[in-house]
Amino acid sequence: QVQLQESGPGRVKPSQTLSLTCTVSGVSISSGTYYWTWIRQHPGKGLEWIGYIHYSGTIYYNPSLKDRLTLSLDTSKNQFSLKLRSVTAADTAVYYCAREDRGLPGYGVDYWGHGTLVTVSS
Amino acid sequence: DIQMTQSPSTLSASAGDRVTITCRASQSISNWLAWYQQKPGKAPKLLIYKASSLFSGVPSKFGGSGSGTEFTLTITSLQPDDFATYFCQQYTSYPYTFGQGTKLEIK
Repeated sequence: QVQLQESGPGRVKPSQTLSLTCTVSGVSISSGTYYWTWIRQHPGKGLEWIGYIHYSGTIYYNPSLKDRLTLSLDTSKNQFSLKLRSVTAADTAVYYCAREDRGLPGYGVDYWGHGTLVTVSS
Repeated sequence: DIQMTQSPSTLSASAGDRVTITCRASQSISNWLAWYQQKPGKAPKLLIYKASSLFSGVPSKFGGSGSGTEFTLTITSLQPDDFATYFCQQYTSYPYTFGQGTKLEIK
């Protein structure tokens, strides 16, 4: 079955770069209808869409994060990654990787990783 | 960005009850709406896609309706496992946006 697992440091210092990787199993990240996505949830708050990457190279960044964000993927490892530069305390959140399926019948975001808490603190 | 507004923010109910949660979009999203269930410390789980279609493995006690700007999630015969937070999400235009959540509590 489809599984996604985030990995990366749980703590990052202010002004540094937050780096996370999502390892996907049960499906190839090169499958055409899947868009590999990052979403975050600030403590006790709602959900924020970060961006997506498709194996073709198509990328979307939330405009609110665009200047600090880089998404990439590694088809050989079936992984995709996030780098968020110049972090502040406002970037403290649980980060989820997820799959968006744009094929019919239009599921949207159907599978999520368990999430990883990243705390920005010195 | 499309704003999604859920009501109520908190809902108290008893086992066996039927409850309804509402989600409103700031502009028409056709039927590109999903509902998720989230339990503490866990990732959201997809319940409903395209406003009214049940995702694989989700029990039929969950039902969705609506189109355009107003949507509802109905849960029948509440069981202890259903007490959680529920989010709606529009996926018609990026950035996709979520409602602020409705926490379903045991009365």
